[in-house]
Amino acid sequence: AQTVTQSQPEMSVQEAETVTLSCTYDTSESDYYLFWYKQPPSRQMILVIRQEAYKQQNATENRFSVNFQKAAKSFSLKISDSQLGDAAMYFCAYRSANTGNQFYFGTGTSLTVIP
Amino acid sequence: GAVVSQHPSWVICKSGTSVKIECRSLDFQATTMFWYRQFPKQSLMLMATSNEGSKATYEQGVEKDKFLINHASLTLSTLTVTSAHPEDSSFYICSAREWEGRLNSPLHFGNGTRLTVT
Repeated sequence: AQTVTQSQPEMSVQEAETVTLSCTYDTSESDYYLFWYKQPPSRQMILVIRQEAYKQQNATENRFSVNFQKAAKSFSLKISDSQLGDAAMYFCAYRSANTGNQFYFGTGTSLTVIP
Repeated sequence: GAVVSQHPSWVICKSGTSVKIECRSLDFQATTMFWYRQFPKQSLMLMATSNEGSKATYEQGVEKDKFLINHASLTLSTLTVTSAHPEDSSFYICSAREWEGRLNSPLHFGNGTRLTVT
């Protein structure tokens, strides 16, 4: 099974500031997909951003962007201009392009936004 | 966007009874759905993969006789917790991919079901 590691159980950021959440993964595959999901207190899982491993360009979605370093197997999420609504658990996820449909999730990072 | 509906959102049952949780894809068809379990402040643990028209695939350590999965149609999967015990109390989440033929298609999640067994 693939391993996805989020080394920051908790993070905090001042409103309007920028924060980066870390994610690393372990794989021997060359083709795969990476995702960041957000789980607010409602516990609804919401897709934030996704990245295809074959793409060198980092994905961006409005205030959310990733720093994808394939050689280092790193996939960090940067949240710019943090808002109170960004407070949530954030999960990094890996999906193989070759074997099955399974998604592997990291242990999550709890983000607090300080007003 | 794709919507996955899960029902009920919250259920309390007595020890020894069975509880059924439904997961529906509202505006797309899903030959495969996934059932996860989440403990407080922890990650999602994949319990099983629900396959339309065939048996579910269970992850190691998950009792298939306790967690019965039925995927009778392309839009409905059910998880039945049989003979529930307090240790089965947890948050259960289902998910599905809208475009199964597209490898980069993300998972869409239901709202989850909080099960409390007394």
